[in-house]
Amino acid sequence: DAMVIQNPRYQVTQFGKPVTLSCSQTLNHNVMYWYQQKSSQAPKLLFHYYDKDFNNEADTPDNFQSRRPNTSFCFLDIRSPGLGDAAMYLCATSSGPSHNEQFFGPGTRLTVL
Amino acid sequence: AQSVTQPDIHITVSEGASLELRCNYSYGATPYLFWYVQSPGQGLQLLLKYFSGDTLVQGIKGFEAEFKRSQSSFNLRKPSVHWSDAAEYFCAVGGNQGGKLIFGQGTELSVKP
Repeated sequence: DAMVIQNPRYQVTQFGKPVTLSCSQTLNHNVMYWYQQKSSQAPKLLFHYYDKDFNNEADTPDNFQSRRPNTSFCFLDIRSPGLGDAAMYLCATSSGPSHNEQFFGPGTRLTVL
Repeated sequence: AQSVTQPDIHITVSEGASLELRCNYSYGATPYLFWYVQSPGQGLQLLLKYFSGDTLVQGIKGFEAEFKRSQSSFNLRKPSVHWSDAAEYFCAVGGNQGGKLIFGQGTELSVKP
């Protein structure tokens, strides 16, 4: 089945230690999104790629960066995680930048010690 | 401003009872509306979507939603709730703006035997 895969499902890091979260998709979708979701809150869009075009949300901290080396993969890099960055990180894909539905991966739960 | 409001943070229903989750939106253009469900520790799964046409939309797992433009609402309904429906439900609105979704705060559904 076509799907969105996130690795790892659970990630523990230390305060200030860089961490990379991975997302891959077999849907061949043009658009990939990264969301941050804190406990009991709605997902918050950090940024998205439309093909190779990177679109950052205005309030996304500089501490968060992303890479998309090819259509299938997208990475979320947190350069210096703080305690406030502990959250679920969700990757999603869409076939186009318009009104297309988004398909979500299972998420990566990040713990910062 | 574009926004989605889910007035009920938490709802408890008895198994077999009917369910209605409320969603109101504010969106300057033609809205595309979605309902997603999230089980604990999981990603979001699309229940149903409305783009145009018939205002009563059928989704998976026996859910339906009705778009009422005059009330700016897109309420989710199910005639008979099952214990497995216990989860968090998110309403979202999007449009022709880079595919961005605006999520409501979510409604947590509990199902009692």
